[in-house]
Amino acid sequence: EDQVTQSPEALRLQEGESSSLNCSYTVSGLRGLFWYRQDPGKGPEFLFTLYSAGEEKEKERLKATLTKKESFLHITAPKPEDSATYLCAVQGASNTGKLIFGQGTTLQVKP
Amino acid sequence: DTGVSQNPRHKITKRGQNVTFRCDPISEHNRLYWYRQTLGQGPEFLTYFQNEAQLEKSRLLSDRFSAERPKGSFSTLEIQRTEQGDSAMYLCASSLAGDHEAFFGQGTRLTVV
Repeated sequence: EDQVTQSPEALRLQEGESSSLNCSYTVSGLRGLFWYRQDPGKGPEFLFTLYSAGEEKEKERLKATLTKKESFLHITAPKPEDSATYLCAVQGASNTGKLIFGQGTTLQVKP
Repeated sequence: DTGVSQNPRHKITKRGQNVTFRCDPISEHNRLYWYRQTLGQGPEFLTYFQNEAQLEKSRLLSDRFSAERPKGSFSTLEIQRTEQGDSAMYLCASSLAGDHEAFFGQGTRLTVV
C-alpha cells in the first residue's frame, strides 16, 4: 500500500534559521512527488513536482530534492510569511492522478 | 480568477440532514478529484472523475456519499443523513490527464451539529 510519512510534525524556526522538512514514501511505481503549501482554512497551494531521483527544483527560499525513498524541502533563511503547513504527496502507478498525502509539517517562523 | 472554485465555503448542518457541495474546476482540466481533510491530517482521496466518468471511489466513500460531474464540467458532492464524523474540510482539485499537478480549491468546511 502506498504510504507517505512526514517529519517533523511541527517545526519552529527563528527568522533566517535554515532547515529541512522530510518526506519518506513507499509507492509502487512513482509517477510523481508533489509538495504543497497550506495556510489555515485554505486549500493546498501547489509548489513543486519531482519525477525522478536526483531531481531538484527551487522557488524563492524553497528547494525540493528527491531520492528513491524520500524527499526533502529545504528552507533557506525563512521569513515569517513562510509559516504554513507543508504537505507532501505521491502519485503511484495507477495513472489516475490520485494523490496519497502525508500528514504535513507545520512550520512556524518567528521574527 | 480562473482557479478551482468551491461553494459554499462553510456549511453548518444538523445531524441527519443532507448537504450538497459544488466544485467548478479550471476550465481546460478534464480530471476532477474530491478529497476530505480533518484537522492535523493530510487530505484523503475520496473520488475521481475523468470528464463525466467517475473512475475511482475510495473505501472511505460510504453509501451516503454520492458525486456527479454532468457534462464533464462542474461537480457536486452530496452527503445524505449527515453524521458528526462527516465534519471535515472537503477539497476539490482538478488537473489535466497524465502526470500533471493538481490544483486545489479553497475547500468547503462542513460542521455537523
